[in-house]
Amino acid sequence: SAVISQKPSRDICQRGTSLTIQCQVDSQVTMMFWYRQQPGQSLTLIATANQGSEATYESGFVIDKFPISRPNLTFSTLTVSNMSPEDSSIYLCSVGTAVRHEQYFGPGTRLTVT
Amino acid sequence: GDSVTQMEGPVTLSEEAFLTINCTYTATGYPSLFWYVQYPGEGLQLLLKATKADDKGSNKGFEATYRKETTSFHLEKGSVQVSDSAVYFCALSDPGGGADGLTFGKGTHLIIQP
Repeated sequence: SAVISQKPSRDICQRGTSLTIQCQVDSQVTMMFWYRQQPGQSLTLIATANQGSEATYESGFVIDKFPISRPNLTFSTLTVSNMSPEDSSIYLCSVGTAVRHEQYFGPGTRLTVT
Repeated sequence: GDSVTQMEGPVTLSEEAFLTINCTYTATGYPSLFWYVQYPGEGLQLLLKATKADDKGSNKGFEATYRKETTSFHLEKGSVQVSDSAVYFCALSDPGGGADGLTFGKGTHLIIQP
């Protein structure tokens, strides 16, 4: 399976600011995704990061709040914009493999907004 | 839309007990089904999967069978160990329903006592 790293691993941010999270994979992958895991909750898909085109967002998530870039097949960023305490979560990237719909997850970025 | 329902915990068992964690799903198309595990302080790991009806996924002594007639994918293990203590997530992928990402259940916190 692919090795996935995320930066930063954790951060504490002031409300109203923005944070960009990086996801790096050690091999080229077709599909990359971003998820959010709120405290004590399950994972919710934010968007699919598409290489060379705009990300595909799930219901309840918008580009102005969570802009995503995917400049190549090994790297993606997620920005959490104009943060509020409700954005405090773990943000995870995942990659899809050639095996049908199997996904592997990065270690996550733990974000706390004060 | 797609959804996954799993028994909520915490589930507390003694070592060597038999484990069942129930999972049922609703999907538009013909989903693939997964169990993921999150050990304390670690990232999300794929435990096992099944891609079509009557398939059985297995790993580390855990098993789950894809039952289309009951739309279920229950996780079982014959004899649990303290090291199995973790949060277990049932998930599905349903590209036929228009989404490549995973839909997760709420997670079941499993505690194994020595």
